[in-house]
Amino acid sequence: DIQMTQSPASLSASLGETVTIECLASEDIYSNLAWYQQKPGKSPQLLIYYANSLNDGVPSRFSGSGSGTQYSLKINSLQSEDVSIYFCQQNYDSPRTFGGGTKLELK
Amino acid sequence: EVQLVESGGGLVKPGASLKLSCVASGFTFSDYWMSWVRQTPGKTMEWIGDIKYDGSYTNYAPSLKNRFTISRDNAKSTLYLQMSNVRSEDTATYYCTRYYSALDYWGQGVMVTVSS
Repeated sequence: DIQMTQSPASLSASLGETVTIECLASEDIYSNLAWYQQKPGKSPQLLIYYANSLNDGVPSRFSGSGSGTQYSLKINSLQSEDVSIYFCQQNYDSPRTFGGGTKLELK
Repeated sequence: EVQLVESGGGLVKPGASLKLSCVASGFTFSDYWMSWVRQTPGKTMEWIGDIKYDGSYTNYAPSLKNRFTISRDNAKSTLYLQMSNVRSEDTATYYCTRYYSALDYWGQGVMVTVSS
């Protein structure tokens, strides 16, 4: 199985700040990396697919980057509605493993 | 509007079987791979498996392959997850998802609690 190591596990940031979440795959996943946002009490929603493609309706302050085994999600100008748990997931090979999640809170 | 609505969850005893359903609407169900994903009470996300658009191929997480079975009825736009010999560690919220490059739509989730 491909292991996905996500960091940090939790993050506290101020409104307007820029935050970055990292995801490290145990082998090359050739950009088959998705990011999901799960707001409190809600189902996850797709933010980014193929490492850097923004899903429809997702604000442009979200961006994804990376290649090979290293990927990141960047949130510019943090808003209150961004308080969520963020997950990465590789879709290169089965089983399609998830990272452990990053809980983002406001400082 | 794409909608995925799960049902069939609840409290079950260890060793029992349970079948979850997911009714899809707002898209042509038979055109898409579908997946099941679960989230533990501690928020860990686990991919369970997926099924090809015509039901001819399924793929599972190795740790669940012997106990879980995914199927679909395209005429009813319904996805199923048959769970057998359930264990306490199967306690989770189960999500039905559509797969198209990534899990692009998720249902609201259904809770399954395994306890005696």
